[in-house]
Amino acid sequence: DTGVSQNPRHKITKRGQNVTFRCDPISEHNRLYWYRQTLGQGPEFLTYFQNEAQLEKSRLLSDRFSAERPKGSFSTLEIQRTEQGDSAMYLCASTPGTYEQYFGPGTRLTVT
Amino acid sequence: AQTVTQSQPEMSVQEAETVTLSCTYDTSESDYYLFWYKQPPSRQMILVIRQEAYKQQNATENRFSVNFQKAAKSFSLKISDSQLGDAAMYFCAYRNFNKFYFGSGTKLNVKP
Repeated sequence: DTGVSQNPRHKITKRGQNVTFRCDPISEHNRLYWYRQTLGQGPEFLTYFQNEAQLEKSRLLSDRFSAERPKGSFSTLEIQRTEQGDSAMYLCASTPGTYEQYFGPGTRLTVT
Repeated sequence: AQTVTQSQPEMSVQEAETVTLSCTYDTSESDYYLFWYKQPPSRQMILVIRQEAYKQQNATENRFSVNFQKAAKSFSLKISDSQLGDAAMYFCAYRNFNKFYFGSGTKLNVKP
C-alpha cells in the first residue's frame, strides 16, 4: 500500500481551458474527499464519495466543477473554463470510514 | 454552521521546549471528532492526534497531547520537547458525520 496518490502534481493552464485531476485512494477505503486549499488557508471541502456515489457537494462548487468516481476506485475532478480564481492546491483524501483521513500530496493548479 | 478558528497564524519555539497551539470550534452537535493535522513544507498532510468528543480523557500520542475543553469548545495541541522536524503548518479539524472542517492553520517554527 503506497498511500493516496494524485496526478499530476503540478498543472499550469491558460484561462478558459479545461483541466482534469486524478486521485487514487488507498485501495480498501470506501470514502474519498476532494478539497481545495489556497495559500495560508486550511483545506476547504468540495465534495465526497462513498464508493461510486457522490453524496455531497459544497455550495461553493460551481457548475464548472465536476467529479466522478467510477467503480468506486479512482476519482477525477474536472474544472471547465478555468479562471484565475481556480488557482489553488487540490487535495484528495480517503478514509475507510472510521475516523481520520489520509491525504494525497495534492495537485497544484496555476491558471495564467 | 460549523467553524474552526485558529487564532495564531504563526508561532515559534526553541528546540526541546514546549509549545501550545490553540483551536476553538463552533458546533451545536454533541457527538463529533477533533483532529490535529501536520503539513510540512511541500509535503502531504498527516494526522497528529485525534479526540472523540464523548471521551473526557485528553488524547496523547508520544510528545503530542491535547487539552480538550468541550464546554468551552476549545481543543489545543501541546508539543513537548520540540524537534526541528516539528516545523510545519498545523491544522485543527472538526468532523461531524461525514464532513470535515479545517481551521486556517498555525505555522510552527522551531529554532535550533
